[in-house]
Amino acid sequence: DQQVKQNSPSLSVQEGRISILNCDYTNSMFDYFLWYKKYPAEGPTFLISISSIKDKNEDGRFTVFLNKSAKHLSLHIVPSQPGDSAVYFCAASVEGGKLIFGQGTELSVKP
Amino acid sequence: DTAVSQTPKYLVTQMGNDKSIKCEQNLGHDTMYWYKQDSKKFLKIMFSYNNKELIINETVPNRFSPKSPDKAHLNLHINSLELGDSAVYFCASSPQPGTTYNEQFFGPGTRLTVL
Repeated sequence: DQQVKQNSPSLSVQEGRISILNCDYTNSMFDYFLWYKKYPAEGPTFLISISSIKDKNEDGRFTVFLNKSAKHLSLHIVPSQPGDSAVYFCAASVEGGKLIFGQGTELSVKP
Repeated sequence: DTAVSQTPKYLVTQMGNDKSIKCEQNLGHDTMYWYKQDSKKFLKIMFSYNNKELIINETVPNRFSPKSPDKAHLNLHINSLELGDSAVYFCASSPQPGTTYNEQFFGPGTRLTVL
């Protein structure tokens, strides 16, 4: 019973273009959502987050959009760079400190 | 100057053995976690400790026992290892226990292979 889902296991984008990574969730009680980036043989690193009371949060090239009615969030990376190639995890934060992760989307940015 | 460190990075062992994975954080955080990433790449929480006290214990077999000697360390002991325990185990820490906003900082992971 996966409460956070990333339905695209992989995404390939040309350098300089926009990367859009998607995430769906089932529990309308989630308060915060976070995106993590993971390189091979390393731990996930925090990228950007959004509160459920907002619909957009921007940090440099990274923007997260939240559509509560659709229970959907997306991460936009503009412009995409080869160094962005990694696995991106969407996560929902629940009370008590638990993070519920999606299964990840592997982004490949081609030069 | 590593923030969250884990040892060992790789661990290969036989079924039935007992092993430990160590985790240390130098961020001054009060809360630490263990996650398991299985072969399907799902990252799932196993335990969390707040200032040496267990606060989250998911449905993990009791062969897994976390031990927190102080708030900077959370070690994971696994008894009677089974093939299905093969996975990557991540330690994490966060500064704000018990709140819904919870940016966690992860260690590099320990790849456990049970033969």
